[in-house]
Amino acid sequence: EDKVVQSPLSLVVHEGDTVTLNCSYEVTNFRSLLWYKQEKKAPTFLFMLTSSGIEKKSGRLSSILDKKELFSILNITATQTGDSAVYLCAAHTNSNSGYALNFGKGTSLLVTP
Amino acid sequence: DTAVSQTPKYLVTQMGNDKSIKCEQNLGHDTMYWYKQDSKKFLKIMFSYNNKELIINETVPNRFSPKSPDKAHLNLHINSLELGDSAVYFCASSLRPNSPLHFGNGTRLTVT
Repeated sequence: EDKVVQSPLSLVVHEGDTVTLNCSYEVTNFRSLLWYKQEKKAPTFLFMLTSSGIEKKSGRLSSILDKKELFSILNITATQTGDSAVYLCAAHTNSNSGYALNFGKGTSLLVTP
Repeated sequence: DTAVSQTPKYLVTQMGNDKSIKCEQNLGHDTMYWYKQDSKKFLKIMFSYNNKELIINETVPNRFSPKSPDKAHLNLHINSLELGDSAVYFCASSLRPNSPLHFGNGTRLTVT
């Protein structure tokens, strides 16, 4: 059975801290790894990673994939209270049934002033 | 303009009723999805449609039936609602099946 595991499940930090969120996956027919941010409503897309070792960056957020170790991390530097959200990791797989996005349970991040 | 819109935002209904949730996307995407997010915030795929053909149907009870009148719409009809159906249901779309998903704001369904 396909499995995506995120750690930690929750995290409380102070503004200005740097955080690292972890995602490991055990899936068949892996195609890509995606990160989403979910505040109160819809998950919003952050990154899509298909190749190992190539960092993707957007402002204070960055992410990298290790396809050998089946692992990805999401880094947030100089955290702000607006970064408080649930961060979801998902593995995109392709089988005879088609593509599927398998989500982890998320890391709940709270940034305090 | 909202890219993926679903209605209603909230739905409170009694066990045994039948209800529908509507979803529309104006992104010109080929693939649409329904996801269920339970109380523990776990997002799980229910269905996806690519060019009006069902391509994934996870182990979802047949009380749930997706209906796609055209490429821009994927509605979810639920028969004989049960307490365990209470959750937030998200509609999503992607340009192609292997592209990132864009989610709607969700429909919070409460079955009493």
